[in-house]
Order: sequence, then structure tokens, then C-alpha cells
Amino acid sequence: AQSVTQPDIHITVSEGASLELRCNYSYGATPYLFWYVQSPGQGLQLLLKYFSGDTLVQGIKGFEAEFKRSQSSFNLRKPSVHWSDAAEYFCAVGANSGGYQKVTFGIGTKLQVIP
Amino acid sequence: GAGVSQSPRYKVAKRGQDVALRCDPISGHVSLFWYQQALGQGPEFLTYFQNEAQLDKSGLPSDRFFAERPEGSVSTLKIQRTQQEDSAVYLCASSLGGTSGEETQYFGPGTRLLVL
Repeated sequence: AQSVTQPDIHITVSEGASLELRCNYSYGATPYLFWYVQSPGQGLQLLLKYFSGDTLVQGIKGFEAEFKRSQSSFNLRKPSVHWSDAAEYFCAVGANSGGYQKVTFGIGTKLQVIP
Repeated sequence: GAGVSQSPRYKVAKRGQDVALRCDPISGHVSLFWYQQALGQGPEFLTYFQNEAQLDKSGLPSDRFFAERPEGSVSTLKIQRTQQEDSAVYLCASSLGGTSGEETQYFGPGTRLLVL
């Protein structure tokens, strides 16, 4: 069974600073990897995904993530954080389970942005 | 086009009451998923439908939880005799449905259930 570890429960960064959110996964085969963002009281919005191909993936809102198989990681990055990026971020791994994708989420990292 | 919608957005129930949570997936999406998100946790898989067929219900925590999708579109998650530990946000997601596994799930806003 697959699993996801997000080691940072809470991160605070200054507006304009760079951001990196860590994600490590465990899965026996090539994983499908996702980052979702959740604002308070909202559902999950997909930021980006990796299925195959180029290991550096670009997403919405200026986010990118890099798949590193050797480190079992899929860290999310943004060069300059905006106050509106304050939210909770979830890394997830999907596995093909008999014709459909079963997704396992990490516990989430709550991002606080200070002026 | 419209995204995934869920109703009600908030539900307060007394312990022992039955509740029904509704999910309207994106039109044409074959696959539908339910997740439970407890406070401070990530979403956890409950069940999966392909059209009207419930193909995986391995995540349902007890036999008090029941889900259906009778016409392959709208789905209802029912919780009987609610307990305090059922308090959570219930998220619904849908996807186009394909066998490759390369699917993106689109999530609704969730229903926040509080059991008193």
C-alpha cells in the first residue's frame, strides 16, 4: 500500500520569500503524484500532478514540483510567496487499483504568510 | 461548466440521528469517490463508484456508513445512528473514468458534519 509523509505540519514564511514544502512517498511502482491546496472551508484544488515524463512539473499559481525517484520525494516550490497563498497544502500519491486510481493523502502542511 | 457540488455544506446532528449527504459530480464523469477528512488530517478514502456500481467500499469505517449512486450520476452518503467520531468533513470527488490510472480527481467543497 502507498503512503505519503509531509514532515512539516506548519510553515511560516514572509511574503516575497521562496517556499519549499516537502513530500515523501512510499510506493512500489511508478507513482502518480499530486499537490492539492485547501483554503479554509473549501474543497481541494489541484495545483499540479506528475504521471510520467519530465520530472519538473509546472502548476497553477506559479507553483512547481520536482519528482526525484532516488529520494522518493515530490517537493513543492514557489519562488516568491504571496499573502493569498496562505492555505493548507496536501501531497498525494495515486495508484492504479484494478482500473481506477486510489489516492492516499498526506496529513497536510499549513502555510502561514506574514507581511 | 459546473464543478462538483455537495449539499448540505454544513450539518449538525444529534448523536443517534441518521444523516444523508449529497454529491453532484461533474457531468459525464464516470468515477465518483467519497473521502472523510477529520480535523487536522488529510482526506481518507471511503468508497468508489464506477457509474452506478460500487466497486470499492474498503474505506467505510463501519456498517453504519452506506453509499449509493443509483443512476450513475448523483451520489448519496448515508450515515446511520451517527456518533461523535463521525464528525468530519466529507469530500466528494469525480473523474472522467479510465483504466489507465492517469486520472485527475476534482473535489467538491465538502460537507462539514458535526455530531453533538
